[in-house]
Amino acid sequence: DIVMTQSPDSLPVSLGERATINCKSSQTVLYSSNNRNYLAWYQQKPGQVPKLLIYWASTRESGVPDRFSGSGSGTDFTLTISSLQAEDVAVYYCQQYLSIPLTFGGGTKVEIK
Amino acid sequence: QVQLGQSGAEVKKPGSSMKVSCQASGGTFGDFAFSWMRQAPGQGLEWMGGIIPLFGTRTYAQKFQGRVTFTADDSTNTVYMELSRLRYEDTAVYYCARQADGGAYMDVWGKGTTVTVSS
Repeated sequence: DIVMTQSPDSLPVSLGERATINCKSSQTVLYSSNNRNYLAWYQQKPGQVPKLLIYWASTRESGVPDRFSGSGSGTDFTLTISSLQAEDVAVYYCQQYLSIPLTFGGGTKVEIK
Repeated sequence: QVQLGQSGAEVKKPGSSMKVSCQASGGTFGDFAFSWMRQAPGQGLEWMGGIIPLFGTRTYAQKFQGRVTFTADDSTNTVYMELSRLRYEDTAVYYCARQADGGAYMDVWGKGTTVTVSS
């Protein structure tokens, strides 16, 4: 199984500041045949359902604000919120979909400092 | 836009079984795959497996093999997840989600079904 490890567990950030969340996979999630990283990011606000933010490591889902961006390749990935807004308080999860079983990171809780 | 409606909350006894439904509205199954995840209180997301209703293909996470069964009813665009021999640690919110066309990331989620296992 591919193990997904996120850091930090908790991230206090001031409003308007940058938030950076890391996700590391135990094996590459880059598929060499199509040069795509099989990595997605989700946002789960308190009491709500997870919401897809990013797929293929860096493609924003329709309707997601452009302050959210994904980067990285192979085994190391980053989700960046360029200017934190109050509505971004949530737990963020990465997920690999290269191989079965699909696996999620443990989550990073973003809160207001 | 497809929406996924899940069945209501349940309280179950240890050793019993549960069955959660997930109905697609605003569209059909098509050839989409559907995954089931769960989230224990205060914990992260855990993938249980998936089903492609059109082909009848099922994949189960090893942890749940032998205890979980996915089924589908094309006539009502509904997928089901049945979990047997329930334990206290099966207390969780159970989510169904549609896997996107072209990649096994989840682009549409159900609202979740809370299952509490209690004696």
